Amino acid sequence: GAVVSQHPSRVICKSGTSVKIECRSLDFQATTMFWYRQFPKQSLMLMATSNEGSKATYEQGVEKDKFLINHASLTLSTLTVTSAHPEDSSFYICSIFQETQYFGPGTRLLVL
Amino acid sequence: GEDVEQSLFLSVREGDSSVINCTYTDSSSTYLYWYKQEPGAGLQLLTYIFSNMDMKQDQRLTVLLNKKDKHLSLRIADTQTGDSAIYFCAERPGGYNKLIFGAGTRLAVHP
Repeated sequence: GAVVSQHPSRVICKSGTSVKIECRSLDFQATTMFWYRQFPKQSLMLMATSNEGSKATYEQGVEKDKFLINHASLTLSTLTVTSAHPEDSSFYICSIFQETQYFGPGTRLLVL
Repeated sequence: GEDVEQSLFLSVREGDSSVINCTYTDSSSTYLYWYKQEPGAGLQLLTYIFSNMDMKQDQRLTVLLNKKDKHLSLRIADTQTGDSAIYFCAERPGGYNKLIFGAGTRLAVHP
């Protein structure tokens, strides 16, 4: 199956700062990538669909100005959490679709 | 609407079979998935089944699909301590590549 990497795997930041998370498709050119968020002991919730060369599609209730998505190439999508607050602390996971969905290892964000 | 429900917790003895159940609501779902998540880790795809299938077996894993009742189950034969994890059921609504996840079932395997 497809291999997906994320960087960083863990990040701690101060409230008010911005954090960028990278998602890379290592062996597959992905025109679409998905960003999910998982709060502790909860399920994954789709945040947005990242489209190469065009605007991302956000799910209802997700602030597009707070979670900036850039999909500049077929192998890289970035999620920037702007002006992060403690309530943004979560596990962020990206995925690509190649016959089925393959997930990255996730990025754990802790905002102090 | 799109909704996936699972029981939250299952405890089994090592060597026994585990059965994790899931119900979904979207009748247009084309694929249904089972993922495994170990503590602090990402999601590992275990298996998936196409909506026109009733059963799929892959080594110790057996997936049963009752499309009429919108019920999916995952049976793990000869459950081992290494199977302890959270298991997520997910549906793929027709026409979309996104997944809708259940809340996850925490499987605890004890000696």
